[in-house]
Amino acid sequence: EAQVTQNPRYLITVTGKKLTVTCSQNMNHEYMSWYRQDPGLGLRQIYYSMNVEVTDKGDVPEGYKVSRKEKRNFPLILESPSPNQTSLYFCASSLLGTGARDYNEQFFGPGTRLTVL
Amino acid sequence: TQLLEQSPQFLSIQEGENLTVYCNSSSVFSSLQWYRQEPGEGPVLLVTVVTGGEVKKLKRLTFQFGDARKDSSLHITAAQPGDTGLYLCAGAAIDYKLSFGAGTTVTVRA
Repeated sequence: EAQVTQNPRYLITVTGKKLTVTCSQNMNHEYMSWYRQDPGLGLRQIYYSMNVEVTDKGDVPEGYKVSRKEKRNFPLILESPSPNQTSLYFCASSLLGTGARDYNEQFFGPGTRLTVL
Repeated sequence: TQLLEQSPQFLSIQEGENLTVYCNSSSVFSSLQWYRQEPGEGPVLLVTVVTGGEVKKLKRLTFQFGDARKDSSLHITAAQPGDTGLYLCAGAAIDYKLSFGAGTTVTVRA
């Protein structure tokens, strides 16, 4: 089954304790992205990657790190989490460069609800 | 400030009624996508519209892309409780960057 998986689904942590949220896709997609979703603000992009070893900042990258060592994996790292990073996080992937359908249609994971105390 | 403005923010209707959700921007997009998100899940793509003036139908859902490719609408005919969810529009720029609206929460009461 084609899917994007995220782990963990729920996480409660304390300020300053480093954490990693994993993301993996099995569709051989080039493009992967992390979003955070907050009430009234919609989905805001944190980081994205257009291929292995290629990452770039989205709209709200402060306090986050990512890496893309393999095509299928795109972990999100919070080196020193703070309460304002409490949010619902989504990983997504898409197929780029498919001729006429270069619309970056996103396949989303199920989400990770993070609470930073 | 959202690049894409969705309205209304909340919509609650009775089963069988019609509804329309709007997605507006001052920017031109190469395509406009609509997603639906149910509680506890990630957004799922419903449709992509590409050409100005394009109309696409998905059963009881009708999607329209504005002539100038700056706005879009989603119309649901004879809404059912299964249509309940958060509807998100997203505009794609020519460099693949996606910008999402804040979403419209639709509740269809049985």
